[in-house]
Amino acid sequence: KNEVEQSPQNLTAQEGEFITINCSYSVGISALHWLQQHPGGGIVSLFMLSSGKKKHGRLIATINIQEKHSSLHITASHPRDSAVYICAVRGGGSQGNLIFGKGTKLSVKP
Amino acid sequence: DAGVIQSPRHEVTEMGQEVTLRCKPISGHDYLFWYRQTMMRGLELLIYFNNNVPIDDSGMPEDRFSAKMPNASFSTLKIQPSEPRDSAVYFCASSSGRQTEHFGEGSWLTVV
Repeated sequence: KNEVEQSPQNLTAQEGEFITINCSYSVGISALHWLQQHPGGGIVSLFMLSSGKKKHGRLIATINIQEKHSSLHITASHPRDSAVYICAVRGGGSQGNLIFGKGTKLSVKP
Repeated sequence: DAGVIQSPRHEVTEMGQEVTLRCKPISGHDYLFWYRQTMMRGLELLIYFNNNVPIDDSGMPEDRFSAKMPNASFSTLKIQPSEPRDSAVYFCASSSGRQTEHFGEGSWLTVV
């Protein structure tokens, strides 16, 4: 079993829909990251969080430490949101490294 | 801020050849990471440096892979000899402390 599991693997949505991507992890962590990777490969960090909720524009990330679960929500989705979204956790301690999920491929149709 | 700069962006090489990938981290960042991404395994950490010193190289697949960071503004990942199974996208990232990592655009390597 992977230490970081994402669901769904693939997601197709219509423009304007509310989207949720889930991430579950099995290790103790100091932080959880959500990354976005567009076609062409560049990776951008969207959020780093260790508790609660963070919002940036139409993106919202939440984490429940007790349940070892995080969600990434996209409101009013747009075709430009089409990308692979990757959840990554940093292990506990100052030397913890990022452990990555396999990613969720999102396609938003106009 | 120019971001993390990697070169080359694309490389096609023959099996057995030496490959050198280069990375310039963001100025002032004290952590540098090398990752490999494949369809089968996703993103994997190969090695990371703190203040130019290698901290964890347990992700380096075998002795054919080596990484150096001679100074705070430059790092290399070398594969010698290269094999077809090394074909992947290699990302370099840097961070200040253990905060958000900033990724380069990646080096797309194909070994034929």
